[in-house]
Amino acid sequence: EVQLLESGGDLVQPGGSLRLSCAASGFTFSNHAMSWVRQAPGKGLEWVSVISGGGRNTYYADSVKGRFTVSRDNSKNTFYLQMNSLRAEDTAIYYCAKDVGITGTTPTFDYWGQGNLVTVSS
Amino acid sequence: DIQMTQSPSSLSASVGDRVTITCRASQSISNFLNWYQQKPGKAPKLLIYLASSLQSGVPSRFSGSGSGTDFTLTVSSLQPEDFATYYCQQTYTTPPEGNTFGQGTKLELK
Repeated sequence: EVQLLESGGDLVQPGGSLRLSCAASGFTFSNHAMSWVRQAPGKGLEWVSVISGGGRNTYYADSVKGRFTVSRDNSKNTFYLQMNSLRAEDTAIYYCAKDVGITGTTPTFDYWGQGNLVTVSS
Repeated sequence: DIQMTQSPSSLSASVGDRVTITCRASQSISNFLNWYQQKPGKAPKLLIYLASSLQSGVPSRFSGSGSGTDFTLTVSSLQPEDFATYYCQQTYTTPPEGNTFGQGTKLELK
């Protein structure tokens, strides 16, 4: 059974940093790209970032480019989102999502984590 | 960036109704279009990929069609568990850029 377990969500002040983690099980982790998708309170879905199966290729939404960094450790079946220079508009539930493919260039998400709330506020 | 626009934004229907949700892309995306269902407080669930392919385990009352710029998601006979918010997502842009999701359509019980 595929499982994605997120952690790291918290309340942080504007300008602060936070790292989210997503621990995966139930599939060959390195064979799949992984993405972060967020949802602001009461709003729609916004794709944030993707990392390819081997970790070589990463892509970001313009709204987070230069502030967020996605990485993965295939030996631990875990991937991460390092979020720096956080803004109030980054407040959202952050979901990790498994891609059906390995490259991450056409993200299609067949499994999702339960979501982790990040609140940016003073 | 390719913009994805769903219509309607909300829809009221009854159990047993046939409903259709539309998603329009600002430029042609061939058939690179997915549909997701999200229930309150839950993560989204993949329903349809590549415009018309039914994801494993999804009931056959869900179907998708379209290509180019215009796409539809149809539920042939609404069941109580189908009342949720539905999102389309384009996967044509490679690598991904901008927000690939539509704004969502909330399907409510009449």
